[in-house]
Amino acid sequence: QQQVKQSPQSLIVQKGGIPIINCAYENTAFDYFPWYQQFPGKGPALLIAIRPDVSEKKEGRFTISFNKSAKQFSLHIMDSQPGDSATYFCAARRRGYQKVTFGTGTKLQVIP
Amino acid sequence: DAGVIQSPRHEVTEMGQEVTLRCKPISGHDYLFWYRQTMMRGLELLIYFNNNVPIDDSGMPEDRFSAKMPNASFSTLKIQPSEPRDSAVYFCASSSPGLAGYEQYFGPGTRLTVT
Repeated sequence: QQQVKQSPQSLIVQKGGIPIINCAYENTAFDYFPWYQQFPGKGPALLIAIRPDVSEKKEGRFTISFNKSAKQFSLHIMDSQPGDSATYFCAARRRGYQKVTFGTGTKLQVIP
Repeated sequence: DAGVIQSPRHEVTEMGQEVTLRCKPISGHDYLFWYRQTMMRGLELLIYFNNNVPIDDSGMPEDRFSAKMPNASFSTLKIQPSEPRDSAVYFCASSSPGLAGYEQYFGPGTRLTVT
């Protein structure tokens, strides 16, 4: 119940395309869903996060869509750029806890 | 702020040797996390501290691993004796409940290679 399942494992899109990364969870006690971006040789960094009381959140070209009834959430990257090439992790955290459960990661490559 | 600082950035050691990884969290953060990242297992939480006290060490793989946080500005992760399967990138992260969403800030990581 602590798992967060993430797909796909890797993704290649052309510049300007809209890559979509999907995540699913089982534990209804999760109440905070962050996405992290990791470049090679760097640590993960928070990209955008959402709470289950909203269905969508946008920050710049990055959008999280959240479906509470299906226990699924996804990251969309609008007008993707080669600089977006990185590994993306979805994650979830239980109410009242600091421990974060990470998905397995999606390696995104945006080709010019 | 300098962010989370980890040292060394790279460590190559022989099987059986003791390895000590170091972390300095962001000043004012009272949570500290140690993670291990491998291709096979992804990002795994090993242990985390709150106000220098270990809260959850269920992710520590075995007794060869130990972690300490003697004060608010320093933590170590020690592996003794090291084995080739310990080769991974080890990250330290810190956070504070005062931050919106309790964001964890990660350090640059230590790449450990055990030969």
